[in-house]
This record gives sequence, structure tokens and C-alpha cells, in this order.
Amino acid sequence: SAVISQKPSRDICQRGTSLTIQCQVDSQVTMMFWYRQQPGQSLTLIATANQGSEATYESGFVIDKFPISRPNLTFSTLTVSNMSPEDSSIYLCSVRLQEKLFFGSGTQLSVL
Amino acid sequence: GQQLNQSPQSMFIQEGEDVSMNCTSSSIFNTWLWYKQDPGEGPVLLIALYKAGELTSNGRLTAQFGITRKDSFLNISASIPSDVGIYFCAGQGQGQYGNKLVFGAGTILRVKS
Repeated sequence: SAVISQKPSRDICQRGTSLTIQCQVDSQVTMMFWYRQQPGQSLTLIATANQGSEATYESGFVIDKFPISRPNLTFSTLTVSNMSPEDSSIYLCSVRLQEKLFFGSGTQLSVL
Repeated sequence: GQQLNQSPQSMFIQEGEDVSMNCTSSSIFNTWLWYKQDPGEGPVLLIALYKAGELTSNGRLTAQFGITRKDSFLNISASIPSDVGIYFCAGQGQGQYGNKLVFGAGTILRVKS
């Protein structure tokens, strides 16, 4: 398995501001992913973070709203930009190891 | 796109009872994964299944990859209070969906002690 550290664990933000979430993995991984979990809902893939290239976004998610960095094989950031209350969710980073997907503990974001 | 139907949506059972939940898909999957999520935490992988017909156990948990490759179930035997949480199935498909995992809506499990 992998140890995935995600921070902040929670934050309360004002609308119009941006928040950057960090994800650190204890081993080098090729594929890192960012998910959103809206209240009471399942997990929705935002994007795949590729080291050395731009992230690949899923339908309904755009780079201007959710810019992602992947500077090396152990680290990634997701920024939630120009936040609105609809962005209130849990944001989760995950990594794929040996055909299994492991998750960080998530960032609980509340936007006022 | 690919969709997973997970049932039941929620269960409220007596401690010591067995629990069963399942997921069905409209298309074939190559991998089935089962996760448990506790409040305020990320999902934790319970069992991974890779072959049609595969039956795998992890303690009191047993999961099976359906023969048709379109379904999977998870059983929990002799439930205890710490089994409380949300259980998600996830399937990895093929074709145009490649390596992407699709998640079920989750089963909320509550246990009466």
C-alpha cells in the first residue's frame, strides 16, 4: 500500500478565494488522481495528474477552475479557484499501485 | 458512460448479523474494488478482485467477482459496531474508459449493538 498525506484536512473559505490542497506520497507513483465527494455522494474523478505534463481533466472539470501541479513522482497539488458554496465538498487525492487505488484522508472544504 | 448500481442504499442491522451488498454494471469490468469510508476519512481498500468468478476473503469480509463480469457482492459476517460506515464498490472498465475507476453510490451501514 501507500501512505498518502493530504493537507489541509479541512478549511472554511470565503467565496471568491482559492485554496490549494497538497498531496504527498511516501513512494514514487506514476498515476495520481484527484476526486471530489459532494455531501452524501459518491466519488467523482476530477483529473489525472501526470508528472511532467498537463493534467487530464474529466468532463465537467476545467483547468481554470481546478489547476493541478505535479512537479515530481511523490507530490501533487489541486487548487480550487474562485470558490463558491457549490464547491463545498471533500477533495481526495489517490494513487494507483499494482492495479489498486489508495486514497488520502481527504480535505473537507466548506465555502461560505 | 459506465454506471454502477449499488444496493442497498442503507442498512440498519443487529450486531452479529450477516450483511450483504452488491453492485451491478451495464458493462463489463476487469477489476472490482470494495472500499469502506469512515466519517472524516478517505476510503480504505478492503478487497480487490481481478478475475471473473474470483472469491476473496479479508477476515470477516468476503467478496466475489461475478461470472458475467458485470457484478460483484460483498458479505460481512457477524457484524460488529465498528463495521459502521459507508461501503463503496468500484469497477475498472475497458475500452474507451481505460484505467478509470467508476464508483457506486455507496451503502450506508448502521449496526445496533
